[in-house]
Amino acid sequence: DTEVTQTPKHLVMGMTNKKSLKCEQHMGHRAMYWYKQKAKKPPELMFVYSYEKLSINESVPSRFSPECPNSSLLNLHLHALQPEDSALYLCASSQDLRGYGYEQYFGPGTRLTVT
Amino acid sequence: KNEVEQSPQNLTAQEGEFITINCSYSVGISALHWLQQHPGGGIVSLFMLSSGKKKHGRLIATINIQEKHSSLHITASHPRDSAVYICAVSQGAQKLVFGQGTRLTINP
Repeated sequence: DTEVTQTPKHLVMGMTNKKSLKCEQHMGHRAMYWYKQKAKKPPELMFVYSYEKLSINESVPSRFSPECPNSSLLNLHLHALQPEDSALYLCASSQDLRGYGYEQYFGPGTRLTVT
Repeated sequence: KNEVEQSPQNLTAQEGEFITINCSYSVGISALHWLQQHPGGGIVSLFMLSSGKKKHGRLIATINIQEKHSSLHITASHPRDSAVYICAVSQGAQKLVFGQGTRLTINP
């Protein structure tokens, strides 16, 4: 199984709502990533987890809160978002973080609209 | 100047043509990645390479470490190849640095 799954596919939320994005992989990968992608732009890294510990936070506002409950699951909790946070949120995983670069496997993304 | 530069930004070709997309980078890397993204879709990893050349079906990727340059070639292009192709480089602990992407349209 070389698949990264993400739910939901689409999400519309108001600025006062709290919602969560979910990502799952069963490839035994120990590094997992959240990216944000605006239209016609490359993905921007938000967070990296390595062995269930937060390894990189790219100065993301606190209204985005990541969580890695186990090695297969990655969540992104959303609270008090702004309309400019509307974007495609991509999850990815790779074998490991250390040393030689490993291939990243991406999920299909969650398209988020903040109204 | 971006650390990863792709050219061209947009490319339109007829079905069957040979396609080349170029990527130049200015930083030290552990690996270079070619990714494909269809409109509204997720990203698929096509190649990861650190030297030489790789081939998968009609796709060929090459890298010249000394010149800090990579190319992605598509032979016998088909409309289903229409997508955005993204070059990205791995630096150190797996942080990918992305190019701006090349939007490829293959007309029947």
